[in-house]
Amino acid sequence: GAGVSQTPSNKVTEKGKYVELRCDPISGHTALYWYRQSLGQGPEFLIYFQGTGAADDSGLPNDRFFAVRPEGSVSTLKIQRTERGDSAVYLCASSHGMSDTQYFGPGTRLTVL
Amino acid sequence: GQQVMQIPQYQHVQEGEDFTTYCNSSTTLSNIQWYKQRPGGHPVFLIQLVKSGEVKKQKRLTFQFGEAKKNSSLHITATQTTDVGTYFCAGPFDSWGKFQFGAGTQVVVTP
Repeated sequence: GAGVSQTPSNKVTEKGKYVELRCDPISGHTALYWYRQSLGQGPEFLIYFQGTGAADDSGLPNDRFFAVRPEGSVSTLKIQRTERGDSAVYLCASSHGMSDTQYFGPGTRLTVL
Repeated sequence: GQQVMQIPQYQHVQEGEDFTTYCNSSTTLSNIQWYKQRPGGHPVFLIQLVKSGEVKKQKRLTFQFGEAKKNSSLHITATQTTDVGTYFCAGPFDSWGKFQFGAGTQVVVTP
């Protein structure tokens, strides 16, 4: 079946703008994770969902970042008033259950000018 | 804070040689996962270790979970050019789904 998909693959925006990044998990996966990866670093945990609810959002850097998963499938990561330091690859992963194998999407490369 | 450390950060290997990369956690983990990320790609799951002292093999890759469940290792024998990439370990902290990844070991293979 289809893997995890993320759109857009690339997003270039100006400082101060609002952006939305979308993640389509593998069908039937109840757990969904968002990570941020900078060059030369490992994925940095942002938030994970179990079903529709955010089970742990302690990795979100500040209140400019918000994520939703209203129907327990697709998730959107929203970043307000973007800053240059937000530039990174944003990865989404899904798994059948918590702590199971995570399947990563191809990521969205966000560049804030 | 809680940390996952990986050493070495870089590993240059001659094709055909063996090498080992290590992962150390500041706290006991319920499980540890290993991922491989090729240049320009996304992390791909390799293995999950759950039991103390567990050893799992995948062809030329051998994974081990320490007795105290605070460290893990990945040993690759007879390295091939297809082994090029960055290897990450990750474990859950605080909650079941909050995974912390190490910074990875970047492997470069010389033919």
